[in-house]
Amino acid sequence: KQEVTQIPAALSVPEGENLVLNCSFTDSAIYNLQWFRQDPGKGLTSLLLIQSSQREQTSGRLNASLDKSSGRSTLYIAASQPGDSATYLCAVMTTDSWGKLQFGAGTQVVVTP
Amino acid sequence: KAGVTQTPRYLIKTRGQQVTLSCSPISGHRSVSWYQQTPGQGLQFLFEYFSETQRNKGNFPGRFSGRQFSNSRSEMNVSTLELGDSALYLCASSLGGPSGKDNEQFFGPGTRLTVL
Repeated sequence: KQEVTQIPAALSVPEGENLVLNCSFTDSAIYNLQWFRQDPGKGLTSLLLIQSSQREQTSGRLNASLDKSSGRSTLYIAASQPGDSATYLCAVMTTDSWGKLQFGAGTQVVVTP
Repeated sequence: KAGVTQTPRYLIKTRGQQVTLSCSPISGHRSVSWYQQTPGQGLQFLFEYFSETQRNKGNFPGRFSGRQFSNSRSEMNVSTLELGDSALYLCASSLGGPSGKDNEQFFGPGTRLTVL
């Protein structure tokens, strides 16, 4: 059974610092891994998708890496801004579970001005 | 392209009633997945439909059901509501094809259900 863990559960950084968010999963037979952002009471916004054959993906200030052999993904956010304050979730889709994302509990990020 | 839409956005029901939630996917997307989000359990998968067929189902009781129409719109139904069904219900759509990229999920804003 796939289990997804995100550490830390909460993080507070001053504006301008780089953010490093960690995600680990137990079953390496993944199809893809997605990183999402969720603002309070809102839906999820997809940030990055990494397919199983890829090692990393980049979009603007965001970079996500994937190491299937160790069951880890890391999301880096460069030069954080107060607008980056949100909960960040990682989710994996395994090869035997079409359409099913297994989510971690999320990391709540606060960027202070 | 318009995003995923969900209606209604908010619902208040009483125990024992039933409720139907609707989800319209992004144009061209054939897969719709449903999730329940609660503070205690986080995000949990309910079920997924592709071309009107349920391909995958989570560990929820039979009171939770869904369907998908030929235009890919989907509905989920919860019968005999319980207090514990209070949650944010999210749907997500994707192309649903064979590649990892085809299964990138895009979420709607959710329906907030409160059961009194």
